[in-house]
Amino acid sequence: EVQLAESGGGLVQPGGSLRVSCTASGFRFSGDAMAWVRQAPGKGLEWVSSISGGGISTFYADSVKGRCTVSRDNSKNTLYLEMSNLRVEDTAVYYCAKGVARGQFDHWGQGTLVTVSS
Amino acid sequence: DIQMTQTPSTLSASVGDRVTIACRASRSISSWLAWYQQKPGKAPKLLIYQASSLESGVPSRFSGSGFATEFTLTISSLQPDDFATYYCHQYNSYPYSFGQGTKLEIK
Repeated sequence: EVQLAESGGGLVQPGGSLRVSCTASGFRFSGDAMAWVRQAPGKGLEWVSSISGGGISTFYADSVKGRCTVSRDNSKNTLYLEMSNLRVEDTAVYYCAKGVARGQFDHWGQGTLVTVSS
Repeated sequence: DIQMTQTPSTLSASVGDRVTIACRASRSISSWLAWYQQKPGKAPKLLIYQASSLESGVPSRFSGSGFATEFTLTISSLQPDDFATYYCHQYNSYPYSFGQGTKLEIK
């Protein structure tokens, strides 16, 4: 059974940094692209970043480019999102999602809440 | 960047109704479109991929159609479990993008 478990969310001040993680199990982690998708309170889904299975290719939304870095450790079956210079508008539940084939997301974690506030 | 526009934003319907949600892309995305269902406090769930392929385990009352810029999600006979918010998602090219969501409410 595929399982994705996010961790690392919390309260951070504007301008601060945070790293969220996603631990995966139940599938060959290194074989699949992974993604981060966020959802601000009461709002819709926003794609944030994707990374290829080998970790060579990375992609970012304009809203986080230059402030976020996606990475993965395939030996630990773990996906990361390092966020810096955080803004109030980055407040959201951050989901990790497993990519399939061309790019749809077939499994999602339960999400971790990041709150940016002074 | 590709913008995804869903209509309507809110839809009121009754159990047993047939409902359709539309999604329009700002330029052609071929068939690289997925639909997700999300319930309050839960993660999204994949329903349809590649515009019309049903994800394993998803009831056959869900179907998708469309190509290029116009897509639809249809629920043939609404069940109580189907009242949720639905999102379309283009994965033709980066940056990926989602529609703003359609909330399906009980009439």
